[in-house]
Amino acid sequence: DGGITQSPKYLFRKEGQNVTLSCEQNLNHDAMYWYRQDPGQGLRLIYYSQIVNDFQKGDIAEGYSVSREKKESFPLTVTSAQKNPTAFYLCASYRSSLTEAFFGQGTRLTVV
Amino acid sequence: DQQVKQNSPSLSVQEGRISILNCDYTNSMFDYFLWYKKYPAEGPTFLISISSIKDKNEDGRFTVFLNKSAKHLSLHIVPSQPGDSAVYFCAAMINFGNEKLTFGTGTRL
Repeated sequence: DGGITQSPKYLFRKEGQNVTLSCEQNLNHDAMYWYRQDPGQGLRLIYYSQIVNDFQKGDIAEGYSVSREKKESFPLTVTSAQKNPTAFYLCASYRSSLTEAFFGQGTRLTVV
Repeated sequence: DQQVKQNSPSLSVQEGRISILNCDYTNSMFDYFLWYKKYPAEGPTFLISISSIKDKNEDGRFTVFLNKSAKHLSLHIVPSQPGDSAVYFCAAMINFGNEKLTFGTGTRL
């Protein structure tokens, strides 16, 4: 079945450590996104990529990094520079021409 | 700068009645709008969309209305059901542009 997969669902890390969240899609979508959701807040865009080997900063990119070496994969690294990394992270992919974006199930990252 | 706004953080509606969720946007370049439904600890699921060339789109109990001059869209759910309880996000993008999908802050129904 086609879809978008985020792993792991829950992730715990010590403060000061980098951590990478996985996002894989087999929908043949060109565009992929990373969002962050905090309690009581909407979805804020971290990074997005419209094509392999290219990506753009979203509204809250500081402290995060991404790569897009393959069309299917868009991993997000939460670095130690991110001041408040504990959040629910959502990955999405999108095909051009008036279609909807599909979301993964999310990864809840807790930094202790 | 919040380009997509949902000014009502929550809304309560009786079963069987109409639910109306509102969304305003500031960027006149947006030309494609989507509504998503989200349950806690899950990814959002797509509900309905509308292109700026239309002013209404229906899908079963869900209807989205777009008023371009007012930069306003609304989602109507008729009749409302207990399973509709969730957080609803509107989103906007410039289609065939940078394809950056911008979300509102959500309304809990």
